[in-house]
Amino acid sequence: ILNVEQSPQSLHVQEGDSTNFTCSFPSSNFYALHWYRWETAKSPEALFVMTLNGDEKKKGRISATLNTKEGYSYLYIKGSQPEDSATYLCASPTNTGNQFYFGTGTSLTVIP
Amino acid sequence: GAGVSQTPSNKVTEKGKYVELRCDPISGHTALYWYRQSLGQGPEFLIYFQGTGAADDSGLPNDRFFAVRPEGSVSTLKIQRTERGDSAVYLCASSLWSTPTTEQFFGPGTRLTVL
Repeated sequence: ILNVEQSPQSLHVQEGDSTNFTCSFPSSNFYALHWYRWETAKSPEALFVMTLNGDEKKKGRISATLNTKEGYSYLYIKGSQPEDSATYLCASPTNTGNQFYFGTGTSLTVIP
Repeated sequence: GAGVSQTPSNKVTEKGKYVELRCDPISGHTALYWYRQSLGQGPEFLIYFQGTGAADDSGLPNDRFFAVRPEGSVSTLKIQRTERGDSAVYLCASSLWSTPTTEQFFGPGTRLTVL
């Protein structure tokens, strides 16, 4: 079992603020790290797959970094918008990819 | 294109009853996964299918839980003698194959409530 942790558990920000949150995972046995966004009543949507130490991925106002040596990934949202309100999950897969170990998620609320 | 679909979206049942949850994966995806998200937790792995066979069922909590995928497409998760602790959101995902970097595409989940 891989211990994947996310912080903070929840976050409220004003529209236009930038924010970030953390996913930590065991640095040994690292194979990849997945970020998902899960809006209420919808399917979790994949944001990024991070694989290499020092990876930095970007999609619009959202970006993510990866440090495999110390076992953490940051997700950044620049200029938060109400439509960014969702739960953000990270997941660390096993070496076969058969199982994803998820953190408990960070619930983001962007206040207009 | 069509994504992963799950039915029903909500299921309320009484303790001790039997329930079936259905998952329709993306066409052509050979890998299918079931996860369960209990309140305050992240999704937890239950079972993985490669084609028709359950390649990894190590996450099933006990023998009341069973899943099938007889034709390598649609999958059904079956729960016997439901207990209040089974209340959760059951998520299904599919992917072309199973590797650590392969994205799993999720359905919207079935919210199961056991009274």
